[in-house]
Amino acid sequence: EAGVVQSPRYKIIEKKQPVAFWCNPISGHNTLYWYLQNLGQGPELLIRYENEEAVDDSQLPKDRFSAERLKGVDSTLKIQPAELGDSAVYLCASSFSGTEDNEQFFGPGTRLTVL
Amino acid sequence: KQEVTQIPAALSVPEGENLVLNCSFTDSAIYNLQWFRQDPGKGLTSLLLIQSSQREQTSGRLNASLDKSSGRSTLYIAASQPGDSATYLCAVQGGSEKLVFGKGMKLTVNP
Repeated sequence: EAGVVQSPRYKIIEKKQPVAFWCNPISGHNTLYWYLQNLGQGPELLIRYENEEAVDDSQLPKDRFSAERLKGVDSTLKIQPAELGDSAVYLCASSFSGTEDNEQFFGPGTRLTVL
Repeated sequence: KQEVTQIPAALSVPEGENLVLNCSFTDSAIYNLQWFRQDPGKGLTSLLLIQSSQREQTSGRLNASLDKSSGRSTLYIAASQPGDSATYLCAVQGGSEKLVFGKGMKLTVNP
């Protein structure tokens, strides 16, 4: 069974440029998460989707970040315009909320460098 | 606000030692606790998940325990190997379903 797929794995852009990250969750998982991981820190939640609905986006900086999950499967996270402080790893995770333990599975992440 | 702490931030040990990694959290109202492993430049690999009603979980050389009332979990690694070298992260899940992570502990097992 394929795990969570993310692309690209690495992205280098100049500040003020736009960037987008893509995530394909594990088949059948209805919940999708985007986390941000700064160097030396644990991941922090940006947004959580239940199917197509964003049910927790309280930590998403909405002035420059946006996300969508059309058809309740794949998701895209966008930053426009990117700032130097956005350099980090962006992790996507998925889970099936119908299980008792609701275990989250993570993708390999996209490492963003903003110059 | 839930806070998760992992101390120490780094540990270096010789091969073969039995290890105990510690995790503490401030709010005992958790749904579950997960231990993850992260290799350099990689994503997170789930090692063990303990539901709030459970006391421990085991997988191979790994054993994780949970004491919800005291806000503590430990990850026990038996007979450590160089391949165990990685960063280990503890995360708790509350009612909001988001995971709150510690900063991780970087483990180096020397041959």
